[in-house]
Amino acid sequence: NAGVTQTPKFQVLKTGQSMTLQCAQDMNHEYMSWYRQDPGMGLRLIHYSVGAGITDQGEVPNGYNVSRSTTEDFPLRLLSAAPSQTSVYFCASAQADYGYTFGSGTRLTVV
Amino acid sequence: GEDVEQSLFLSVREGDSSVINCTYTDSSSTYLYWYKQEPGAGLQLLTYIFSNMDMKQDQRLTVLLNKKDKHLSLRIADTQTGDSAIYFCAEAGKLIFGQGTELSVKP
Repeated sequence: NAGVTQTPKFQVLKTGQSMTLQCAQDMNHEYMSWYRQDPGMGLRLIHYSVGAGITDQGEVPNGYNVSRSTTEDFPLRLLSAAPSQTSVYFCASAQADYGYTFGSGTRLTVV
Repeated sequence: GEDVEQSLFLSVREGDSSVINCTYTDSSSTYLYWYKQEPGAGLQLLTYIFSNMDMKQDQRLTVLLNKKDKHLSLRIADTQTGDSAIYFCAEAGKLIFGQGTELSVKP
C-alpha cells in the first residue's frame, strides 16, 4: 500500500516549457487535490477532483490544467512554465469526510 | 467564505507545553484535523476530533473543540525538539488549509 505517490521529486524547468507532475493513489479515494506551498503562504488549492471525470478549480488555477480519467491518477499540467510557478507542489487524496493523505511533494524551480 | 485562521509562529522551550490555536468558519464540519509538516516533508495527519466531542487526548496531544466559538486548539505536553514543525488545522471535506503555525522548540 504505497499511499499517494508523486513524481518527480525535483524538477528544474526553463520559462515557457511545459511539464506534467504525476500523482497516483492506491487507496481508491474519491477526492484528490493539488496544492502549492510557498513561504508564508501556507497551502493554496490549485485544482481538485471529487471523482473520475470530475474536476474543478481551486484558489490559484491559472497556468495549470488537470484531468481525472481514472480514480487512481490526477496529473497536474503546467502549460507554459513561469518563474512565479516556482514552488513545492503537493498532491493529496481522501475518502469523503476523512482526513487527507499527502504525497511527499515535488519541488519545482522555473528559471 | 471558508477561512481557517491560525497564528503564524509559536516559540517554546523544551519541556514546556505548546498550545496552537485555530478558528474555522463551517459549523457543519463533522471532523476537524491537525496535520504536522516537518521540514522538507509532506503533511501527515497528526490527530483529529469528531465534532460532537469537546476534547480528545492522545498521549502528549490534547485537542479541544469549542463549537460555539468555532475554535480548535492543539496542546502538546512536554514539547520536544522533534515537535518543531508547521501545524495545520483543517475541516473535513474542505480543501482549504490555513497558513499553518510554525512551532519552534528551543533546547
